[in-house]
Amino acid sequence: KAGVTQTPRYLIKTRGQQVTLSCSPISGHRSVSWYQQTPGQGLQFLFEYFSETQRNKGNFPGRFSGRQFSNSRSEMNVSTLELGDSALYLCASSQRATSNTGELFFGEGSRLTVL
Amino acid sequence: ILNVEQSPQSLHVQEGDSTNFTCSFPSSNFYALHWYRWETAKSPEALFVMTLNGDEKKKGRISATLNTKEGYSYLYIKGSQPEDSATYLCAFISDYKLSFGAGTTVTVRA
Repeated sequence: KAGVTQTPRYLIKTRGQQVTLSCSPISGHRSVSWYQQTPGQGLQFLFEYFSETQRNKGNFPGRFSGRQFSNSRSEMNVSTLELGDSALYLCASSQRATSNTGELFFGEGSRLTVL
Repeated sequence: ILNVEQSPQSLHVQEGDSTNFTCSFPSSNFYALHWYRWETAKSPEALFVMTLNGDEKKKGRISATLNTKEGYSYLYIKGSQPEDSATYLCAFISDYKLSFGAGTTVTVRA
C-alpha cells in the first residue's frame, strides 16, 4: 500500500512569488491535513479537508489556502511569499476526519525556501 | 491556539535504561490525544491514539498513559535502544482542531 506522497520535496522561491504543494493520500483515506514546521516551532496546523470540504483551519493568514479534489488529493497554495514562509510543510492523511480521532499518516514533506 | 506543552525538551538516555516524559494539555474540551515518533529524515509515525481517561496503551517497549482530568499524558520507553532515538510529539484534539506540542527529543547512547 503506497504511503502519503508529497511533491515537490524541495523548492526555492523568491519573495512575492506563489507556490503550490501537492499531497496524494493513502488510497481510501478521505481526510488530508496540512502542517507547517519552522525552526524552533512545533508542527502548526494549517487546515484539514475531508471529502473535498475544509473542515477547519488554523491561525494562518489568507495567503495560505488549500483544496481537495474528488480523488482526495490535496493542494495547498501560498501566495505572496514572505521570508517567514520558509518551512517544512507536511501533509497527513487519515481514514476518518481528525475530529473522529483518526490516526494520521504523514508524508515526507515539502521543504520550501524563500529567498 | 491551544497550549500543549512537552517536557523535557530533550533528554539523553543510556542504552538499556528506561525513561519517560510528559505532555500537558488543557483539561477542558478534551477529545483525543495522539503520540507520534519522528525520526530524523523520516515522516512522523503514529504510536498511540488515546481517547479515554485512564487509557493505557502499549506498543513493544513503549507505553503511554492518559489523565484527561488533570490534563497530562506520560510516554514511557522501557530498556531504551539506539533505534528509539527520535523526537516524540504529542497532539491534542479539541474542537475539531489538532495542536501539537514542540516535542521531546530522545537520544539513546550506546
